[in-house]
Amino acid sequence: KNQVEQSPQSLIILEGKNCTLQCNYTVSPFSNLRWYKQDTGRGPVSLTIMTFSENTKSNGRYTATLDADTKQSSLHITASQLSDSASYICVVSAGGATNKLIFGTGTLLAVQP
Amino acid sequence: NAGVTQTPKFQVLKTGQSMTLQCAQDMNHNSMYWYRQDPGMGLRLIYYSASEGTTDKGEVPNGYNVSRLNKREFSLRLESAAPSQTSVYFCASSRALNYEQYFGPGTRLTVT
Repeated sequence: KNQVEQSPQSLIILEGKNCTLQCNYTVSPFSNLRWYKQDTGRGPVSLTIMTFSENTKSNGRYTATLDADTKQSSLHITASQLSDSASYICVVSAGGATNKLIFGTGTLLAVQP
Repeated sequence: NAGVTQTPKFQVLKTGQSMTLQCAQDMNHNSMYWYRQDPGMGLRLIYYSASEGTTDKGEVPNGYNVSRLNKREFSLRLESAAPSQTSVYFCASSRALNYEQYFGPGTRLTVT
């Protein structure tokens, strides 16, 4: 069964600190892996998209890694800001004709002053 | 350039009532999608439209119908609302099926 699991479910950190969110998946075939940020009451916004051959991708203070062999990804946030408080969702694309997306349940991050 | 817009933002229905959720995009995207988001679950695809004139079922299509009115607009209809359809509904669009998806702000629907 295609699944995407994220950990931790929630996380509280102090402003200025770094953190790493984890994503493990069992999706086959694999096309790409995406990280989205979802602010409360808003729609998800794409942070990064990585294909099989990419193992690191950055977007400002966000750095995503992908290990396609172990089927794991991480999202590292550097020097966190209050505006980073959000849910971070890992999404894996199964590719194929319909490009089915399998969504994780997200990690809820709270950055406190 | 508004991106993806959805109306209404909030709606309360009684069981058995019908309603249509509207979605429009101004990015000239070919593909459009409807998802629902429930607590403790990832977003689930209800229906999608790969291109104007086509629609296909997603993971959870029962109880819903869709219309791709034109390239810009994709509506979701609940013919007879049930409490199990209480959820937040998101519309998304992308250049094509394999491309990045852009999400609207969502519609929070409560069925009593």
